[in-house]
Amino acid sequence: KAGVTQTPRYLIKTRGQQVTLSCSPISGHRSVSWYQQTPGQGLQFLFEYFSETQRNKGNFPGRFSGRQFSNSRSEMNVSTLELGDSALYLCASSSTLGGEQFFGPGTRLTVL
Amino acid sequence: AQSVTQLDSHVSVSEGTPVLLRCNYSSSYSPSLFWYVQHPNKGLQLLLKYTSAATLVKGINGFEAEFKKSETSFHLTKPSAHMSDAAEYFCVVVTDSSYKLIFGSGTRLLVRP
Repeated sequence: KAGVTQTPRYLIKTRGQQVTLSCSPISGHRSVSWYQQTPGQGLQFLFEYFSETQRNKGNFPGRFSGRQFSNSRSEMNVSTLELGDSALYLCASSSTLGGEQFFGPGTRLTVL
Repeated sequence: AQSVTQLDSHVSVSEGTPVLLRCNYSSSYSPSLFWYVQHPNKGLQLLLKYTSAATLVKGINGFEAEFKKSETSFHLTKPSAHMSDAAEYFCVVVTDSSYKLIFGSGTRLLVRP
């Protein structure tokens, strides 16, 4: 079974731009979660989608949004990028809510 | 509210010696707990999980963890460290109602030759 894939793996943007990251979960998994990882703040939960519905949301500003498609693939969008948005963005999929999560390799976003 | 505290930000051991990574949790109910490992520039990999079955949980690569309710701890151990164990380790608790994963701040394990 293929693992969780994330595209792109690396991204460089400038302040004020917007960015869209993509995540393809393991086949059959309906839950997709997104996390932001930075040296200062560690791993922080962004949001979780299950069957195209946002089930949980972390404490991030409205510039961070996401969605999930009928094939369970998910995208997250960050608008009006700030320097502090530079981070590793990790996506994880699970077959059930609260179950074992399988992580992708992440997308490293650098904001200049 | 659930929370998890990893008591050491860095742990350094010699190859072949035991590993102990400490984790305490706070939960108002019987939690689900996980340990994940992250190697440099990689995603996270599940090492082991506790979901109210046996209190001693065996994971991959020789790691195990013991759930101790009286101490609210879920420490990760390995009898003999290998160079390939050098990585960052995260203790995770799952919230009750919303099933969110709450990550500890991580422990970086260094293995000396």
